[in-house]
Amino acid sequence: AQSVTQLDSHVSVSEGTPVLLRCNYSSSYSPSLFWYVQHPNKGLQLLLKYTSAATLVKGINGFEAEFKKSETSFHLTKPSAHMSDAAEYFCVVSAPSGTYKYIFGTGTRLKVLA
Amino acid sequence: NAGVTQTPKFRVLKTGQSMTLLCAQDMNHEYMYWYRQDPGMGLRLIHYSVGEGTTAKGEVPDGYNVSRLKKQNFLLGLESAAPSQTSVYFCASSVGNIQYFGAGTRLSVL
Repeated sequence: AQSVTQLDSHVSVSEGTPVLLRCNYSSSYSPSLFWYVQHPNKGLQLLLKYTSAATLVKGINGFEAEFKKSETSFHLTKPSAHMSDAAEYFCVVSAPSGTYKYIFGTGTRLKVLA
Repeated sequence: NAGVTQTPKFRVLKTGQSMTLLCAQDMNHEYMYWYRQDPGMGLRLIHYSVGEGTTAKGEVPDGYNVSRLKKQNFLLGLESAAPSQTSVYFCASSVGNIQYFGAGTRLSVL
């Protein structure tokens, strides 16, 4: 079975400092992995996705994530946090090909302090 | 370009009432999904559709029904609402492994 675990429910950083949001996954096949962002009272928006090409994936707004198969991790990073990054972030793994389903982590709420 | 549009945005129901949530997408996507989002639980799949006229159960389908009579619309119905269905509901459509989400419907069942 596939699963995804977001290791922190809340993360606080100061503006201008690095962001690290952690995600571990479990999958019996080569997964596709995603990070989505949800700003307050909004729908989810894709930040980036990994689909077995380059292991370092660059997304929008300066975010990137590295796929590490040996550690079954897909952590999201950003060198310098901005106030507008305050949101909830979801790590998502795709279910086996042909099932058209996705499994969501429980989310990490990022707070950016001035 | 509207993308994925959900109506209504907010609704309050009494226990036992029925209602239908409408999801419309203008991107000609085949796949559409209904999720519910509850605090600390991420998004859970209720039902999904891989094309016009087809639907399938997701992780938490009980108490909900869906229909996909037209490719662009995916309806979620609650026949007899219960307080446990108080949640935020998101519709999504997808192409090429990327999902596009609506802004959500906040439903309270009293």
